[in-house]
Amino acid sequence: NAGVMQNPRHLVRRRGQEARLRCSPMKGHSHVYWYRQLPEEGLKFMVYLQKENIIDESGMPKERFSAEFPKEGPSILRIQQVVRGDSAAYFCASSSRDGNTEAFFGQGTRLTVV
Amino acid sequence: GQNIDQPTEMTATEGAIVQINCTYQTSGFNGLFWYQQHAGEAPTFLSYNVLDGLEEKGRFSSFLSRSKGYSYLLLKELQMKDSASYLCAVIGDYKLSFGAGTTVTVRA
Repeated sequence: NAGVMQNPRHLVRRRGQEARLRCSPMKGHSHVYWYRQLPEEGLKFMVYLQKENIIDESGMPKERFSAEFPKEGPSILRIQQVVRGDSAAYFCASSSRDGNTEAFFGQGTRLTVV
Repeated sequence: GQNIDQPTEMTATEGAIVQINCTYQTSGFNGLFWYQQHAGEAPTFLSYNVLDGLEEKGRFSSFLSRSKGYSYLLLKELQMKDSASYLCAVIGDYKLSFGAGTTVTVRA
């Protein structure tokens, strides 16, 4: 039973390009969280999704950032027109239902904007 | 929203005990988690509390008081490999939010 899979593990983008981060949750999990982590800092909540629905996107910047979790396929976090400040580790976690259960983390995608 | 506070850093000696406190404010509380994160790695689950009291799991124990909005993670018989960041996380209104983490350094 594969764990949460994120790809790519490392992503380098030039300023102004687009970054697409993918997260495949654990089998049977329909809830996905995305977090951003800067060096020496904690995990900052970005967005919480269930299949085909965005439940809470209060932590995601309103411009340039978007997320989806389609019925088929992985969850995608998309960052348009990246800037240097977007450089961070982006972690995805999945769980089987709302609360009351452990969220499993992927290994993260480390985005570097040059 | 949610507000989660924990100390930034703690240092302890190998074989000792360390207690990491976490206070939180949230609506729709539905559980508190502790995760361990080594530098450059993903967080890994340590414990989950939803009812008041102490949950023990080997060298690690976690305590929760819902009325006080307070939890602690107790690490016993510290080993060098326990040097890591420990993250307190709260489910409130179905959103899982994390504190900034406590960096624990274990010294020989």
